[in-house]
Amino acid sequence: AQSVTQLDSQVPVFEEAPVELRCNYSSSVSVYLFWYVQYPNQGLQLLLKYLSGSTLVKGINGFEAEFNKSQTSFHLRKPSVHISDTAEYFCAVHNQGGKLIFGQGTELSVKP
Amino acid sequence: GAVVSQHPSRVICKSGTSVKIECRSLDFQATTMFWYRQFPKQSLMLMATSNEGSKATYEQGVEKDKFLINHASLTLSTLTVTSAHPEDSSFYICSASGTGWEQFFGPGTRLTVL
Repeated sequence: AQSVTQLDSQVPVFEEAPVELRCNYSSSVSVYLFWYVQYPNQGLQLLLKYLSGSTLVKGINGFEAEFNKSQTSFHLRKPSVHISDTAEYFCAVHNQGGKLIFGQGTELSVKP
Repeated sequence: GAVVSQHPSRVICKSGTSVKIECRSLDFQATTMFWYRQFPKQSLMLMATSNEGSKATYEQGVEKDKFLINHASLTLSTLTVTSAHPEDSSFYICSASGTGWEQFFGPGTRLTVL
């Protein structure tokens, strides 16, 4: 069964610093990978997705992620974070059964 | 495009009562809708998948008689929590997909059972 592991439950960072949120997945077949952001008491907003093609994917709000097949990773990065980036971030894989499998989430806390 | 709404956004009810949550696709036809449950500080847990006009498929451990799902039209699915108890208090999120497979998420419904 496919699974997604987000290695950090909490990531504190200062404003304007770079950040990387780590995500590893387990799969022996082609995968579709996603990063979502969730602000308090809200639903999920799609940040970016990898379906095929270029392994570097650019998303909204200045985020990007790199698909690494050999390391089965899809880490999310932003070169300079803002206070408004404080939120919960979820990595997910779309499995062949048509379901999204989510990681445990990473709480990004940006401090002034 | 691809907007999904949920109603209500928040609901408080007494223990033993039933609560209905609506999920609507506003600008596309949703052939498949998904219902998730999220406890505080936790990830989303898929409860069930519903296809328009068919019975919902529930995930293991989800009581189908307690969480009634109806997907009667291509733009509306409802989740009814029957005889709600405090342990059912949670954040419920729906998503919808159309002719493709990508899921579009609603804003969620916060259920509090007193």
